[in-house]
Amino acid sequence: KQEVTQIPAALSVPEGENLVLNCSFTDSAIYNLQWFRQDPGKGLTSLLLIQSSQREQTSGRLNASLDKSSGRSTLYIAASQPGDSATYLCAVGRNRDDKIIFGKGTRLHILP
Amino acid sequence: GAVVSQHPSWVICKSGTSVKIECRSLDFQATTMFWYRQFPKQSLMLMATSNEGSKATYEQGVEKDKFLINHASLTLSTLTVTSAHPEDSSFYICSARGAGAYYYEQYFGPGTRLTVT
Repeated sequence: KQEVTQIPAALSVPEGENLVLNCSFTDSAIYNLQWFRQDPGKGLTSLLLIQSSQREQTSGRLNASLDKSSGRSTLYIAASQPGDSATYLCAVGRNRDDKIIFGKGTRLHILP
Repeated sequence: GAVVSQHPSWVICKSGTSVKIECRSLDFQATTMFWYRQFPKQSLMLMATSNEGSKATYEQGVEKDKFLINHASLTLSTLTVTSAHPEDSSFYICSARGAGAYYYEQYFGPGTRLTVT
């Protein structure tokens, strides 16, 4: 059974700092891994999608890496801003027709 | 592209009544739709998967007679919570997947906040 763990559960950093969010999964037989952002009371915003054959994806100040063999992914946020404050969810898919398994998220607070 | 909407965005209903939530894919045809539930400070849990024109497949522990899912068209799926109780209060999120370029990920709606009093 696939389990997705995100550490830390919560994180507060001063504005401008670079930071890393961690995601680990127990079954390395994944199809893809996705990072989402969720603002309080809102739905999900897809940030980055990494296919199993890829090692990383970048979008603006965000960079996500994937190491399937070790069951880990990281989301790197450069030059953090108060607007980055949100919950970040990691999710893995086993194959194209299977469900997505979500982690519990990391609540990020960027201090102005 | 790949926009999914939900209606309503929030709803309050009395215990014992039923409530319907709609999920629409606005700019692509959704061959598969997924319904998730999220309790406060918890992650999303898949409730059921539905393919257009077929019966939904429910996850273990989800009562199919209580959470009725209809996916009658390629752009609309509905979730009806029947005889709602306060413990059904939650954030319900749908996602959709299509064909071609829309096959490789699920596109999520904005969610519906259900409060049962």
